[in-house]
Amino acid sequence: DQQVKQNSPSLSVQEGRISILNCDYTNSMFDYFLWYKKYPAEGPTFLISISSIKDKNEDGRFTVFLNKSAKHLSLHIVPSQPGDSAVYFCAASANTNAGKSTFGDGTTLTVKP
Amino acid sequence: SQTIHQWPATLVQPVGSPLSLECTVEGTSNPNLYWYRQAAGRGLQLLFYSVGIGQISSEVPQNLSASRPQDRQFILSSKKLLLSDSGFYLCAWNRHPRRNSPLHFGNGTRLTVT
Repeated sequence: DQQVKQNSPSLSVQEGRISILNCDYTNSMFDYFLWYKKYPAEGPTFLISISSIKDKNEDGRFTVFLNKSAKHLSLHIVPSQPGDSAVYFCAASANTNAGKSTFGDGTTLTVKP
Repeated sequence: SQTIHQWPATLVQPVGSPLSLECTVEGTSNPNLYWYRQAAGRGLQLLFYSVGIGQISSEVPQNLSASRPQDRQFILSSKKLLLSDSGFYLCAWNRHPRRNSPLHFGNGTRLTVT
């Protein structure tokens, strides 16, 4: 039973357009959500996070939205750049320890020039 | 600045052979340390985590074990590898006990058991 699901294995967008990556979760105990970005042959790097007490967090071109009632979060990248092409993982944690996260399977984003 | 070193980058081992993967963190003290595994096309699965020297918590029953002999050193081991142990192993750290500190990952070890 996957508690964090990223239902789109891949996404392709044009440079300059918006990229929207989605994530759904089932565990109501999750209270902190993170997005990580991963390039081939490298470990994931932290991108942005959001606490369950908020519904939006913004950092430059990256915005994460949280809909608790729907148990859904999304990552918006505007404008998308070719360097954003990577695998994006959604992660969720409970009880304040973001290290013990449950990860989704990832979405491969390709930004075309 | 903090850095995390993980080696080797790739490893091919026969079934039944032992395993030892090592990870060290520089530039911070008393970090939380983690071992995650990524199966092909899947997300990351937490295997072990440690909040201090000699303190290991196992998240998934398996053929693997972990040890933390020093504050910034984390080791993943197996006495006899199985085919199912193949995967991408990632060491990570975050700040202890800072609330909701994100993970910082090493570059991983690609393990193939043949």
